[in-house]
Amino acid sequence: AQSVTQPDIHITVSEGASLELRCNYSYGATPYLFWYVQSPGQGLQLLLKYFSGDTLVQGIKGFEAEFKRSQSSFNLRKPSVHWSDAAEYFCAVFAGNNRKLIWGLGTSLAVNP
Amino acid sequence: KAGVTQTPRYLIKTRGQQVTLSCSPISGHRSVSWYQQTPGQGLQFLFEYFSETQRNKGNFPGRFSGRQFSNSRSEMNVSTLELGDSALYLCASSSGQINTEAFFGQGTRLTVV
Repeated sequence: AQSVTQPDIHITVSEGASLELRCNYSYGATPYLFWYVQSPGQGLQLLLKYFSGDTLVQGIKGFEAEFKRSQSSFNLRKPSVHWSDAAEYFCAVFAGNNRKLIWGLGTSLAVNP
Repeated sequence: KAGVTQTPRYLIKTRGQQVTLSCSPISGHRSVSWYQQTPGQGLQFLFEYFSETQRNKGNFPGRFSGRQFSNSRSEMNVSTLELGDSALYLCASSSGQINTEAFFGQGTRLTVV
């Protein structure tokens, strides 16, 4: 069955520090992968997506993610975190045969000034 | 272009009542998906409608139902509300093609008392 695992429930970083959020997926076919961000009380905003091609994808707000098929991972990175990046981050895989997004449980990011 | 609009933003209902939530997708989008988000279960897929037809359904009881109108607007109905139905209900709009992203509304926060 398809699944997404985000091993880190909560991460705290200092402003200006680098960030990496982990995501592992289980999906038999070529995955379509997404990272979304959710601020408190808000909906989900797409940060970036991977469908095919270059395995390093750039997104909005300075985020990037790298697809590694051998590790079934799609980790999100940012070189320098800003206080406004504090939010909940969700990794998702599109299960094409079922036409739905399968979600990780999210990683809550706190940023210390 | 306008984003995904969900109404109402907040609802408080009593156990046993029923509720209807509304979602207006982005103009031109024919697919609307619904998700339930709770702290314990994360984001779970409810169903997807495409061109007025339910194309896929998640593992929710029959108390959860939906429909889509000819203008692609969608409604979700929950009958005989239970305390456990308290959640943020998110609607996602997309073109419906397999490799396109979903755009989310801000959600409807339902509280059942």
